[in-house]
Amino acid sequence: EAGVTQFPSHSVIEKGQTVTLRCDPISGHDNLYWYRRVMGKEIKFLLHFVKESKQDESGMPNNRFLAERTGGTYSTLKVQPAELEDSGVYFCASSQDPQEQYFGPGTRLTVT
Amino acid sequence: SQKIEQNSEALNIQEGKTATLTCNYTNYSPAYLQWYRQDPGRGPVFLLLIRENEKEKRKERLKVTFDTTLKQSLFHITASQPADSATYLCALDTGGFKTIFGAGTRLFVKA
Repeated sequence: EAGVTQFPSHSVIEKGQTVTLRCDPISGHDNLYWYRRVMGKEIKFLLHFVKESKQDESGMPNNRFLAERTGGTYSTLKVQPAELEDSGVYFCASSQDPQEQYFGPGTRLTVT
Repeated sequence: SQKIEQNSEALNIQEGKTATLTCNYTNYSPAYLQWYRQDPGRGPVFLLLIRENEKEKRKERLKVTFDTTLKQSLFHITASQPADSATYLCALDTGGFKTIFGAGTRLFVKA
């Protein structure tokens, strides 16, 4: 069974540009989560989808971040325009029940 | 404010010994607590979950305890091996699908 996949694995962009991260969850998992780890800090919750609906987006830093999950399958996280402080590793996770989340390898975003 | 604390200093132990990692939390009433393992360049991997009404959980060489009075969980790896070297993350969920992570403790097991 394929695990959670994320694309790209690494992205380097300039401040002010737009970046879109993609997450493909494990097939059949209704719950999809986005997290971010900034250098030296803990992994922080961004938002949670149940199928295509946003269940909780309380962790989204600001309105430069937009997450979508059309059709309840894969999800995208767009940052527009990117700022230096957006650099970090963005993790996606999926689960069928909330108690055991399967994480992807992460996308390392560097904003210069 | 709500906080999860894990020992930020790395833990170095000899192969075969028991590693004990600590997770303390404040201002939470978690429905359950989880432990994850993370290797460099990879995402966290779920290891164990313990609920608020459970005192102890075991899985192979792993043991987790949960003391809601002390607001503390201990994570033990018995008969540790060099392959156990990784960062171990404590995570809480208050039951609302929102998981809060600690910063993790790095474990080094020397052969």
